Amino acid sequence: AQTVTQSQPEMSVQEAETVTLSCTYDTSESDYYLFWYKQPPSRQMILVIRQEAYKQQNATENRFSVNFQKAAKSFSLKISDSQLGDAAMYFCAYRRARKGGSEKLVFGKGMKLTVNP
Amino acid sequence: ETGVTQTPRHLVMGMTNKKSLKCEQHLGHNAMYWYKQSAKKPLELMFVYNFKEQTENNSVPSRFSPECPNSSHLFLHLHTLQPEDSALYLCASSQVGGAMNTEAFFGQGTRLTVV
Repeated sequence: AQTVTQSQPEMSVQEAETVTLSCTYDTSESDYYLFWYKQPPSRQMILVIRQEAYKQQNATENRFSVNFQKAAKSFSLKISDSQLGDAAMYFCAYRRARKGGSEKLVFGKGMKLTVNP
Repeated sequence: ETGVTQTPRHLVMGMTNKKSLKCEQHLGHNAMYWYKQSAKKPLELMFVYNFKEQTENNSVPSRFSPECPNSSHLFLHLHTLQPEDSALYLCASSQVGGAMNTEAFFGQGTRLTVV
């Protein structure tokens, strides 16, 4: 079974600085997707960034980028120029890449990010 | 309208009550999901509907009964719940089939308290 581990339950960062959130996962699959979701107090899960395992290039999305280390099964999220609106729970998630069928997401326990003004 | 809408946002129910949670997606997706989010635990998948057919039931107790009348609507019928069922229930949808599945889009959840 696939598992996702987020070992840091909480982190804080000063506004405008950079923070890195860590995630490791375990799978025997070679093709899969990894995601970072953000859950603000409004409770809605919002996709931050997505990485396909077959791509060597790390995904980036504006201030958000990942460091994907497939051999180490590590998938960290870097937030640059942190903003107050980045404060939220962040969840790392895994999904097998099975074409043509729905596939469940496996989530980590989440990490609470606080941004200090 | 937002992509995935859940109602109600909050629900308090007694253990003998019967209630239903509703989810509606306006994204044209063909797969819908129920997840349970409890404190200090990872999100747990409960049910998956693919093209209106239930494709996964993740060992969920029978006091939770899903219904998917069409690809845009998903319900979770609740009866004789226990206090430990108190949690945030999240609905999600995605597009499956073809060359690639899309990522899941989530609603804002229903905060359920069982008293």
